[in-house]
Amino acid sequence: KAGVTQTPRYLIKTRGQQVTLSCSPISGHRSVSWYQQTPGQGLQFLFEYFSETQRNKGNFPGRFSGRQFSNSRSEMNVSTLELGDSALYLCASTEGSFLYNEQFFGPGTRLTVL
Amino acid sequence: AQSVTQLGSHVSVSEGALVLLRCNYSSSVPPYLFWYVQYPNQGLQLLLKYTSAATLVKGINGFEAEFKKSETSFHLTKPSAHMSDAAEYFCAVTPGIGSQGNLIFGKGTKLSVKP
Repeated sequence: KAGVTQTPRYLIKTRGQQVTLSCSPISGHRSVSWYQQTPGQGLQFLFEYFSETQRNKGNFPGRFSGRQFSNSRSEMNVSTLELGDSALYLCASTEGSFLYNEQFFGPGTRLTVL
Repeated sequence: AQSVTQLGSHVSVSEGALVLLRCNYSSSVPPYLFWYVQYPNQGLQLLLKYTSAATLVKGINGFEAEFKKSETSFHLTKPSAHMSDAAEYFCAVTPGIGSQGNLIFGKGTKLSVKP
């Protein structure tokens, strides 16, 4: 099986712009979670989607949003980019609950905001 | 609220020496605990997880961790370090049974292995 893929791998944007990141989960996985990783804050949970529904949400402003499509692919969008949004964004997929099934992570999208 | 503290942002060991990475958690409910490893320019890989079964959990690549409720700890160990173990390691916690929850990660410990 192919692993979790994330596109693009690298992205440079300027303040005020918006960005959309894409995640394709492992075939058969219906849950997709998103995380932000920064040197200062570490790994922080953004949100989780399961069967096109947001099942869980972290403590991020409304500028961060996501969605999941019927084929389980997921996108996250960040509007009105700020310098502090520069980070590695990781996507992870699992068959059902990550409590009982392994959560597989993609390689991430590195976003730089200038 | 749950939290995870990893003691030591950097740990350096010699090849063949014991690896000990420390993790302490705070949780008001019985937790599930995880250790992940991240190699440079890669995503995270699950090493092992504790889900209220055996307190000593064996994972991949020779790693194991012991859940100690009295010490609120879940330290990661490996008897003999290998050069390929050099990476960053993350401990994570989530509420256990009955909750989807989300993973709360520690700040990570970067492991260096000297030849």
